[in-house]
Amino acid sequence: GDSVTQMEGPVTLSEEAFLTINCTYTATGYPSLFWYVQYPGEGLQLLLKATKADDKGSNKGFEATYRKETTSFHLEKGSVQVSDSAVYFCALSGGSNYKLTFGKGTLLTVNP
Amino acid sequence: DTAVSQTPKYLVTQMGNDKSIKCEQNLGHDTMYWYKQDSKKFLKIMFSYNNKELIINETVPNRFSPKSPDKAHLNLHINSLELGDSAVYFCASSQERGGGKTQYFGPGTRLLVL
Repeated sequence: GDSVTQMEGPVTLSEEAFLTINCTYTATGYPSLFWYVQYPGEGLQLLLKATKADDKGSNKGFEATYRKETTSFHLEKGSVQVSDSAVYFCALSGGSNYKLTFGKGTLLTVNP
Repeated sequence: DTAVSQTPKYLVTQMGNDKSIKCEQNLGHDTMYWYKQDSKKFLKIMFSYNNKELIINETVPNRFSPKSPDKAHLNLHINSLELGDSAVYFCASSQERGGGKTQYFGPGTRLLVL
């Protein structure tokens, strides 16, 4: 079945540091890929998505590129802020299987 | 102008009780979902309805019963609550089926079974 593996946290960075959170997936067909963010005590918000190979999703300074050859969708940000502290989830949704399959989440803490 | 809303936000109850969680979306979407987030933050689909028809029913105890009175509402009823049901339950919605469709999540209902 479909699965998503993302780097285990927690990740702790200083403000303005570079962020990478790795995400790889296993799926049949050509899934759509998502990054969701969950701020403390809140629900999930879509951060960015990509629906086909080589697409780059971007939002709020975050980027991720759909790499079919490496089955990856790594999240990056060039300069993190304290307000980026949250749990980040990589997810996929494949073809007619429209449920979201999530990775285990990565807790990011950014210190001033 | 809340897009996906859930009530209640917090629910504390005793083992063996029956409780319901309500979800409403005002986005005009035709597909709704229930997800469970455990204490380790892991998220897993439970159910999905499309136009009031059940289309996903994962391996969930039959003590959990979803009900969709119309496209804008998907409620979750839980019978005979157990300690292991303690979790955060998220409702979500999307426009149509399809892998690329963005799902919009509610704020969650934090259920604690004592």
